[in-house]
Amino acid sequence: DAGITQSPRYKITETGRQVTLMCHQTWSHSYMFWYRQDLGHGLRLIYYSAAADITDKGEVPDGYVVSRSKTENFPLTLESATRSQTSVYFCASEGPNYGYTFGSGTRLTVV
Amino acid sequence: GESVGLHLPTLSVQEGDNSIINCAYSNSASDYFIWYKQESGKGPQFIIDIRSNMDKRQGQRVTVLLNKTVKHLSLQIAATQPGDSAVYFCAEHSQPRDDKIIFGKGTRLHILP
Repeated sequence: DAGITQSPRYKITETGRQVTLMCHQTWSHSYMFWYRQDLGHGLRLIYYSAAADITDKGEVPDGYVVSRSKTENFPLTLESATRSQTSVYFCASEGPNYGYTFGSGTRLTVV
Repeated sequence: GESVGLHLPTLSVQEGDNSIINCAYSNSASDYFIWYKQESGKGPQFIIDIRSNMDKRQGQRVTVLLNKTVKHLSLQIAATQPGDSAVYFCAEHSQPRDDKIIFGKGTRLHILP
């Protein structure tokens, strides 16, 4: 399927565990982004990537790690999950004309 | 359309009426703006965009108005339908297709039967 896909859709993990959220796009867009969405804060940028092997911090990067070895994949890793990282995570890519295209999100609960 | 505390501002509109959702943007250097729609359980979806050299742009049933003097953006939805129920976000780029978008906190549109 063409588009941007995130996995898993839902995830429950324990405090202190490492967890990786996957993001895959089929268009070969250069820019990709990770946002978290929380009540009262809207969408906040965690990390973004301008191309393969180029990543940069966003507004709330602490506790997260990203990599971009291939243009189409942009995984987000929580190295040691905390309850404050319970959130809905959205991946997005930037197309040439139509702003960002978002995935369907991953709802992560840290217990 | 900025949120206060934990609650999004909500606009309730009768089905068939027109809806107007407002947004105050923050950066006077922003010159590219986008409206997104987010339905429950889904990611934000592009609706319409506008560049700062325009005051108005129309799409299918939607119109975006830009007032740079007061840094205000609005989204008008004609003949509102039940499927328009969602949270609407405005977003700004400091340059056209800059690498980062700044999102507003959103307005919830509720359609009354």
